[in-house]
Parts: sequence; structure tokens; C-alpha cells
Amino acid sequence: AQTVTQSQPEMSVQEAETVTLSCTYDTSESDYYLFWYKQPPSRQMILVIRQEAYKQQNATENRFSVNFQKAAKSFSLKISDSQLGDAAMYFCACDRGSRLTFGEGTQLTVNP
Amino acid sequence: DGGITQSPKYLFRKEGQNVTLSCEQNLNHDAMYWYRQDPGQGLRLIYYSQIVNDFQKGDIAEGYSVSREKKESFPLTVTSAQKNPTAFYLCASGKGQAYSNQPQHFGDGTRLSIL
Repeated sequence: AQTVTQSQPEMSVQEAETVTLSCTYDTSESDYYLFWYKQPPSRQMILVIRQEAYKQQNATENRFSVNFQKAAKSFSLKISDSQLGDAAMYFCACDRGSRLTFGEGTQLTVNP
Repeated sequence: DGGITQSPKYLFRKEGQNVTLSCEQNLNHDAMYWYRQDPGQGLRLIYYSQIVNDFQKGDIAEGYSVSREKKESFPLTVTSAQKNPTAFYLCASGKGQAYSNQPQHFGDGTRLSIL
């Protein structure tokens, strides 16, 4: 079975500051993919960033970057220069043959 | 614009009644998925389909049924056997197993409540 764990139900950050959301996973697959999705109050699921497990280089997308530690099965998301629009629920997910397993989410609050 | 359309946005079910949630995509994706989201929880996979006329159970399939007669459509029926159907339901599509590095695309969801 594949599991994804997000140990921080809630996080807060000051506008323009940096915040890191944690995620650990467990999979028996040798080749897999990891994703962070954002769900704002509108409930729409929006892809933030993705990482191929076979790549050692950490993925980056503008203000969003990941710290991927394959041996530790850790996949944290760093948001730099936080903006009010970053406030949302963030989900970590692991792909298992095009089936996604999601963590329980981290609610991020951005304080002005 | 290509995307996924879920309808209705809100749905109410009476006791003992079956209800069907609609999901249509025009992204030409082979794979489609249904997820359930409860408050404070992540998404859990109900059913998925990798190709027309074929589908598989996900992690919480009991009390649900699906069909995949057309590539574009993947309706979900919540049967009376599902004793706790109140939740937010999300439909997604993707290019399929050979493209696991590609993200799934999601609809805007349907909120189902019990009357």
C-alpha cells in the first residue's frame, strides 16, 4: 500500500516571508512521481509543482520549490515571498501507475 | 478551452435514493477518476478508468458505481448502499498510465448532501 503523510494540519506565514510544508511518503514502486496541489476556497485543485523520483535535481516553479530526499522519502514544498493569494489547502500526492494517493493536507494562512 | 465539467454543483439525496454525478472532459484524455473529499481529509479514490468500457475500483468503491461508455464521459452513481454519502466529489482526467509524470486535471466538484 502507498501512503502519504502531511504532519502539519495548519501553517501560517507573514506576507513576503518563506514557509516550508512537509510531506513524507511510502511506496514500493521504484519509479514514481510526486506532486503538490493547491486547493483555494473555490475548491478547485491546481497543480503547483511536480518531481520525477529518478531526478536528483529539485524541481522549481517561480516562487515554489521542493526539497526531495529520496532515501528519506521526504518531499517538502518551499514557498518564497509568500503572497495573500497563496492562502489555500496544500496537498502532497504520490503517483502509482497514474493513480494518485493524497496526503491529508496542510491549511496555509498568509498574514498581511 | 479544454477542461472538465462536473454537474450539478450541488446535489441533495433523499434516503434510499440513487443519484448520479456527471463528469465530462474535452481534453482527449484516456484516463478518468472519481475522488471523494471529506472535511479535513485528503482526496480518496473511488473508481478510475484507463480506457473506454473498462474501469477499476479504487480505495473506497463500496456504495458507488460507474460506467465508461464514451471517452469523454465518466458518470458516478451514489447508490442507497452508500450510508454516508455527504461529501465533496471531484472528477479528474489524465493521459493515462504511460504518462504518470503528467498531472491529472480536475473539475470544479459536486457537493452532495443528504436531505
